[in-house]
Amino acid sequence: GQQVMQIPQYQHVQEGEDFTTYCNSSTTLSNIQWYKQRPGGHPVFLIQLVKSGEVKKQKRLTFQFGEAKKNSSLHITATQTTDVGTYFCAGGNDYKLSFGAGTTVTVRA
Amino acid sequence: GAGVSQSPSNKVTEKGKDVELRCDPISGHTALYWYRQRLGQGLEFLIYFQGNSAPDKSGLPSDRFSAERTGESVSTLTIQRTQQEDSAVYLCASSEGLAGVEQFFGPGTRLTVL
Repeated sequence: GQQVMQIPQYQHVQEGEDFTTYCNSSTTLSNIQWYKQRPGGHPVFLIQLVKSGEVKKQKRLTFQFGEAKKNSSLHITATQTTDVGTYFCAGGNDYKLSFGAGTTVTVRA
Repeated sequence: GAGVSQSPSNKVTEKGKDVELRCDPISGHTALYWYRQRLGQGLEFLIYFQGNSAPDKSGLPSDRFSAERTGESVSTLTIQRTQQEDSAVYLCASSEGLAGVEQFFGPGTRLTVL
């Protein structure tokens, strides 16, 4: 079945630095979604990418969907303490999303 | 309602007991999902309901797990003869039902099987 792999599992970042988390699928995806889960909270939708090579930005967050629609990335610039949490990618071909294991981000002030 | 609600928020049970978890989706959302999240891990798809269509049960890990949904409203996830490996947070999500549309998650039920 479809598998979505996400790396790194943990990301320790100095406040103000940039980092990227990557998501790879074993199969071509029709869309990819990103969610953020704060410690003790539930996943909250960030964005959806649908088109090959699509790039979307939300303030300091940049999301990209690969040309082959099998990979995606999330790049955060100038990390802040509010960025703490686990970021999940979720790839789908219809209604069913396969979630990656997530990248847990901690920030050093 | 304002969002997806789940009850109970926490459930501690003894091995071998049955448990029932409840999910109230956002009003008007035709699609409803159940996921399991073990500590420090990602979300594991369990089951999907869409309107009056037959549910997709392909993610249920064993026949001890079952779920029902009444129309486009409340859903219950039942785990029979609970085992310690069933301990996890069970998350419910709802969406407007179109493929690829944002899923809204509830706060989850933390299940602990002793």
